Amino acid sequence: GQQVQQSPASLVLQEGENAELQCNFSTSLNSMQWFYQRPGGSLVSLFYNPSGTKHSGRLTSTTVIKERRSSLHISSSQTTDSGTYLCAYSNNRIFFGDGTQLVVKP
Amino acid sequence: EAAVTQSPRNKVTVTGGNVTLSCRQTNSHNYMYWYRQDTGHGLRLIHYSYGAGNLQIGDVPDGYKATRTTQEDFFLLLELASPSQTSLYFCASSEGTGGQLYFGEGSKLTVL
Repeated sequence: GQQVQQSPASLVLQEGENAELQCNFSTSLNSMQWFYQRPGGSLVSLFYNPSGTKHSGRLTSTTVIKERRSSLHISSSQTTDSGTYLCAYSNNRIFFGDGTQLVVKP
Repeated sequence: EAAVTQSPRNKVTVTGGNVTLSCRQTNSHNYMYWYRQDTGHGLRLIHYSYGAGNLQIGDVPDGYKATRTTQEDFFLLLELASPSQTSLYFCASSEGTGGQLYFGEGSKLTVL
């Protein structure tokens, strides 16, 4: 079955709006990571966040282990935020979600 | 900063061709992985390794061989390439199964 569910599958924003991306996983975890995939394909690590909240500029990641979920918050979105956001969690294996495709319009 | 380097970045071959994708990491990580990414399927694990000489089967291993020659180097081999193997391939490394993943830039393979 699907180990990781990401939502929404796609999202369209106007520049300046905020976004909340969700990742729900089905088993206990050792780690949680968020990645940004550029339209050209390369993957950028955003957060390695097994638990709690981490901040990086306009991005915030929150992982709540007992609720088996992690979120990525993007504040004041910019057109350069457009792309695909992937979450991955691991217990003994690494499982990837299918991603959220974000489009930020000017 | 961790570094994972893949080559070639782009490759075109014909059906039945022989392809080797190379990956080198300079992080002294134990684990290395090969993934493929296709529209509608996300990232799927082909093979992985936890050290030189070790190989573990992933979720979509058919048609692929892999070899971990050193701590740094992990190769993916397609001995009889098929059009269904047209994909974007990523190599990654991590210290352990729960460690942070570091990805290479990706290798785009087209099999005609």
